Amino acid sequence: LAKTTQPISMDSYEGQEVNITCSHNNIATNDYITWYQQFPSQGPRFIIQGYKTKVTNEVASLFIPADRKSSTLSLPRVSLSDTAVYYCLVDNFNTNAGKSTFGDGTTLTVKP
Amino acid sequence: DTEVTQTPKHLVMGMTNKKSLKCEQHMGHRAMYWYKQKAKKPPELMFVYSYEKLSINESVPSRFSPECPNSSLLNLHLHALQPEDSALYLCASTQGRGEDTGELFFGEGSRLTVL
Repeated sequence: LAKTTQPISMDSYEGQEVNITCSHNNIATNDYITWYQQFPSQGPRFIIQGYKTKVTNEVASLFIPADRKSSTLSLPRVSLSDTAVYYCLVDNFNTNAGKSTFGDGTTLTVKP
Repeated sequence: DTEVTQTPKHLVMGMTNKKSLKCEQHMGHRAMYWYKQKAKKPPELMFVYSYEKLSINESVPSRFSPECPNSSLLNLHLHALQPEDSALYLCASTQGRGEDTGELFFGEGSRLTVL
């Protein structure tokens, strides 16, 4: 199972772009990279998922370099409501038999 | 329907009580999970069911007993818990078949307090 490393915390201001990087040096060939957002006392919520290069959806972008040993979640123009914990998971159900393990996550605090 | 529904949202129980947490999904997912989350910590995997069979037990104490009656339901039976078992219990599901990329769908959790 690929272990992930993220910064413990990050601060930002409203309207800024935030980039959170996750390191996953031993990612397997079939693993996907998935990011989740979690607010206090709620379940994690899917943000974005990718395998390689760049993925963009309505809330975020995910950048994955060619070696796939890291990934960067980019949140454009954050607001106060983006204050949350962000988790990066590296997983493939078929190869890991569902052993989806969370790392420590990054606590993002957005200030006015 | 892309929801995972957990009941109850809050549960308070004594150390001698027997209670159950319930989880339901109607997305046709064949893998379901129980996680435990303490304050300011990441979710910690407890159990995984695949096609209604227990596939992963992360050395969880026997006072926690999972059950998967059918492909849509997952229960967690609780008996003789300790105060340190107080936590947010999260249920999740994923496709669990075919080209499953591992995207997890989570419920809102059940907040358990053991007195």
